Amino acid sequence: DGGITQSPKYLFRKEGQNVTLSCEQNLNHDAMYWYRQDPGQGLRLIYYSQIVNDFQKGDIAEGYSVSREKKESFPLTVTSAQKNPTAFYLCASSMAWGAMGETQYFGPGTRLLVL
Amino acid sequence: GENVEQHPSTLSVQEGDSAVIKCTYSDSASNYFPWYKQELGKRPQLIIDIRSNVGEKKDQRIAVTLNKTAKHFSLHITETQPEDSAVYFCAPRGGSASKIIFGSGTRLSIRP
Repeated sequence: DGGITQSPKYLFRKEGQNVTLSCEQNLNHDAMYWYRQDPGQGLRLIYYSQIVNDFQKGDIAEGYSVSREKKESFPLTVTSAQKNPTAFYLCASSMAWGAMGETQYFGPGTRLLVL
Repeated sequence: GENVEQHPSTLSVQEGDSAVIKCTYSDSASNYFPWYKQELGKRPQLIIDIRSNVGEKKDQRIAVTLNKTAKHFSLHITETQPEDSAVYFCAPRGGSASKIIFGSGTRLSIRP
């Protein structure tokens, strides 16, 4: 616990609206990740960043965008192109990408609901 | 790409009994095998992991066993307690440049 924070805890989105989920870590980790979790389902990778100023699409990137301008921050924007955004969003970080950084540390999550 | 399957999807055991969850994977280059626990409404947290040069690892009531030939690894929980009720995920990692892929999860319920 600790080290990774996400805000807000709950977020409501209106039709056609873009919303941004915040993720901050003070663990000095190079790699950061965004996952989507639907009820009763596993974690699906949206985007990941191996190092600052770099990010890659995961398995379900359509309708989402990210930036990694600072090592400690990896915000996720859910755009209006994401037609079914209602889910629990989890941010995670690991020490590094690859063999030295397999363990993932998760934030508390943001629950996104559509009005 | 990597295919990860987890079984069973739900498991109910009597308090004090043992529970076993199995994870199979397809990437023979996988070299890191963790298990995460997610309590209701909470974040997933690592509970135990094993690397490809070790066959078994134990930490008090939990253990992980690895069979690289058959490409599966299992989570064992002995003397189960109510606080073991949660969803458990495996997340094997392929080669060092590969992404981690999470299994679909196993919901473990402990009956009093």
